[in-house]
Amino acid sequence: QSALTQPPSASGSPGQSITISCTGTSSDVGTYNFVSWYQQHPGKAPKLMIYEVSKRPSGVPDRFSGSKSVNTASLTVSGLQAEDEADYYCTAHAGTNNWMVFGGGTKLTVL
Amino acid sequence: QVQLQESGPGLVKPSDTLSLTCTVSGGSISGYFWSWIRQPPGKGLEWIAYSYDTGGTNYNPSLRSRVTMSIDTSNNQFSLRLRSLTAADTAVYFCARIISGVVAFDIWGQGTLVTVSS
Repeated sequence: QSALTQPPSASGSPGQSITISCTGTSSDVGTYNFVSWYQQHPGKAPKLMIYEVSKRPSGVPDRFSGSKSVNTASLTVSGLQAEDEADYYCTAHAGTNNWMVFGGGTKLTVL
Repeated sequence: QVQLQESGPGLVKPSDTLSLTCTVSGGSISGYFWSWIRQPPGKGLEWIAYSYDTGGTNYNPSLRSRVTMSIDTSNNQFSLRLRSLTAADTAVYFCARIISGVVAFDIWGQGTLVTVSS
């Protein structure tokens, strides 16, 4: 069982927007702004899409955005494209003794 | 640009010790934090450990009793040792670089599949 809770699946049509949630606790998401999101295509390594809740690494389209409210973080993908179809994982810092915890992942399908 | 490459045995026996190495090319291993993450087939990701070039380490509490991570700055490599293997340790093992001051990985290796089976 993962420390962070994500919906197992999400879907949307091209051009639409979709939001994926990531629910933690007051010990991780609720306390630290070290929430990150990764995109993983089948057979590939994960790719960092968002870090520190809402920051985008260089090269990541601004269609991807992140936010946080209390114990829940969210990833929004706007203007869905076929290449956005992938698994998405959230992570959070949970203190020195448990440096990083992952969500169980969400499979995003572009219809 | 910096690239990471994992290497190690693809098949190990139960109760044995797994040894993996990550080679860093295109840049120095010094001055950064480095980490190991794994992913069982068809399942989610799990952080295993991180270390930095002066030797400090931090381990996932669930694996702390079985894992050791080390850094070899002279060869620009870092390593993972996981003891007392069981079938539950079967996974793709990734190495990754940690963004300075941030709890996130900006560069990943391609991953290596390790199967624990007799």
